[in-house]
Amino acid sequence: GEDVEQSLFLSVREGDSSVINCTYTDSSSTYLYWYKQEPGAGLQLLTYIFSNMDMKQDQRLTVLLNKKDKHLSLRIADTQTGDSAIYFCAESRGSSNTGKLIFGQGTTLQVKP
Amino acid sequence: GAGVSQSPSNKVTEKGKDVELRCDPISGHTALYWYRQSLGQGLEFLIYFQGNSAPDKSGLPSDRFSAERTGGSVSTLTIQRTQQEDSAVYLCASSSRLGEAFFGQGTRLTVV
Repeated sequence: GEDVEQSLFLSVREGDSSVINCTYTDSSSTYLYWYKQEPGAGLQLLTYIFSNMDMKQDQRLTVLLNKKDKHLSLRIADTQTGDSAIYFCAESRGSSNTGKLIFGQGTTLQVKP
Repeated sequence: GAGVSQSPSNKVTEKGKDVELRCDPISGHTALYWYRQSLGQGLEFLIYFQGNSAPDKSGLPSDRFSAERTGGSVSTLTIQRTQQEDSAVYLCASSSRLGEAFFGQGTRLTVV
């Protein structure tokens, strides 16, 4: 299909790991992104991965990319209440570094104390 | 400034009026994107610019919507004869050749 797909909701307990999944559509996408949106705020770029990488780690965040299955995941270790937000994955379609960004519908992460 | 700047931050307009939304990208960023986010929804792609040209305007909802970019910098999104269904947050982003795409805080448009 044409859409980038994410599950809509995830609930975890504080201190647990969160894994947010995403499937994308364009095998030639050069970059894949994760954005965070807190209530009433804009989109904050969390991390991104280049398509020739399998994994990228940045402090509590780990991004895994499975190009064969066009599957992207974001793992947040030791999830905190401040991580509660909507998380969007996005693909940069086409072979250009600045292609069209297509977003998933967003996954709402709820962190319970 | 260091980030993407959008103005106004809030706009209330009467149905049928025209509005202009402005985006100042990060200096040196070649690509500029416009998205729309309705309440509780994801991001709907509208148009993107590479330099001053728009390779993809497929997301513009109707011919009431237009956008331009001048000097490879500032972009304006114009909505003519606004309708209530145009009410949303309009987000702008810019990116460099390195691929990082940063968003502005958005313009919240309310059509009454």
